[in-house]
Amino acid sequence: RKEVEQDPGPFNVPEGATVAFNCTYSNSASQSFFWYRQDCRKEPKLLMSVYSSGNEDGRFTAQLNRASQYISLLIRDSKLSDSATYLCVLNKEGGGADGLTFGKGTHLIIQP
Amino acid sequence: EAGVAQSPRYKIIEKRQSVAFWCNPISGHATLYWYQQILGQGPKLLIQFQNNGVVDDSQLPKDRFSAERLKGVDSTLKIQPAKLEDSAVYLCASSQVSGGFLAFFGQGTRLTVV
Repeated sequence: RKEVEQDPGPFNVPEGATVAFNCTYSNSASQSFFWYRQDCRKEPKLLMSVYSSGNEDGRFTAQLNRASQYISLLIRDSKLSDSATYLCVLNKEGGGADGLTFGKGTHLIIQP
Repeated sequence: EAGVAQSPRYKIIEKRQSVAFWCNPISGHATLYWYQQILGQGPKLLIQFQNNGVVDDSQLPKDRFSAERLKGVDSTLKIQPAKLEDSAVYLCASSQVSGGFLAFFGQGTRLTVV
């Protein structure tokens, strides 16, 4: 099983709709979880951290389910500018080595 | 606040040639990462520095890749000799503390090996 698995999509969603995608991870010792956004030919940028209690930032809601080892991202009232690749990210555990482990990303296309 | 600076932005080389990339992290950031992102994949960690010491280089192909951060600030990543499969975007990231929190990425160097 891969460390981080995501459905690559693409997800084609009409503007204004709600879209959600999940990501599963294999390492139960992983401590920190994030969603990064990457626009075409740009660098990844932190979208939000993910907490067990769930967290919300405007139209975006992230959730962590440790028991089932998945995290989710929900986007409400989607905008054209939300079109991007969303990368599921967790920290790598062990001995101070804590570089981020990325999934392959989910490609989201918001259609007018 | 200035971001992570990388150069060059693009590089095209022939296989078996050598290439070097440069990264200047955000001022005061002790942790520096180099990632390789192949088209259609997520970034893969190559090496992590804490100040000028290597914390993790377990995924660095050491027979051809090397990296250094001599004064705990700028870093260079070198490939010698390059292979076709090294074609990718090489991303440098830095963070103020370890743990990957608030890691900021540079725009990357797009390498094409022909």
